Amino acid sequence: EAQVTQNPRYLITVTGKKLTVTCSQNMNHEYMSWYRQDPGLGLRQIYYSMNVEVTDKGDVPEGYKVSRKEKRNFPLILESPSPNQTSLYFCASSLKGPYFDEQFFGPGTRLTVL
Amino acid sequence: QKEVEQDPGPLSVPEGAIVSLNCTYSNSAFQYFMWYRQYSRKGPELLMYTYSSGNKEDGRFTAQVDKSSKYISLFIRDSQPSDSATYLCAMIRRNRDDKIIFGKGTRLHILP
Repeated sequence: EAQVTQNPRYLITVTGKKLTVTCSQNMNHEYMSWYRQDPGLGLRQIYYSMNVEVTDKGDVPEGYKVSRKEKRNFPLILESPSPNQTSLYFCASSLKGPYFDEQFFGPGTRLTVL
Repeated sequence: QKEVEQDPGPLSVPEGAIVSLNCTYSNSAFQYFMWYRQYSRKGPELLMYTYSSGNKEDGRFTAQVDKSSKYISLFIRDSQPSDSATYLCAMIRRNRDDKIIFGKGTRLHILP
């Protein structure tokens, strides 16, 4: 089944404790992206990647890091999480990019930073 | 002024009614427009994609773009309870930098 998977789905952590949210797609997509969704603010892009070893900042990249060492994986790294990073996070992928074709979203990761 | 404005609702309409959802935008560089549907506890899924002014129809859904007014709409005909979801508009700039800007989403409830 073609899908985007994220792990963990739910995470409660404390300020300053490094964490990684994994994202994997099995569709051989070149484009992958991370979003956060907050009440009243909507869906905002954090980082995106056009292909392996190619990443770029979205609209809210501060406090996040990403890497794209393999085509299928695009982990989101929070080196020192803070409470304002409490949010619902979505990973998405598409064959070439949202300009060209549909983005497929993962199921979401709900992160709480205490 | 925010780049993309969308009324968060909630919008409640009876089953069978025509639903109109709207977004306005301020940046004339936006040239590619999308509507996503998001069910509770799920990721968004693409409904419609348009890149020119005018109408695009797909089943019960019609997307309308008016670039002169910087206004886009999604119409749902013969609305069903299964259409109850949050609808997000999204836009990409003309330079195709693949950055996508989403509206905040409108929560829609179709009442049986």
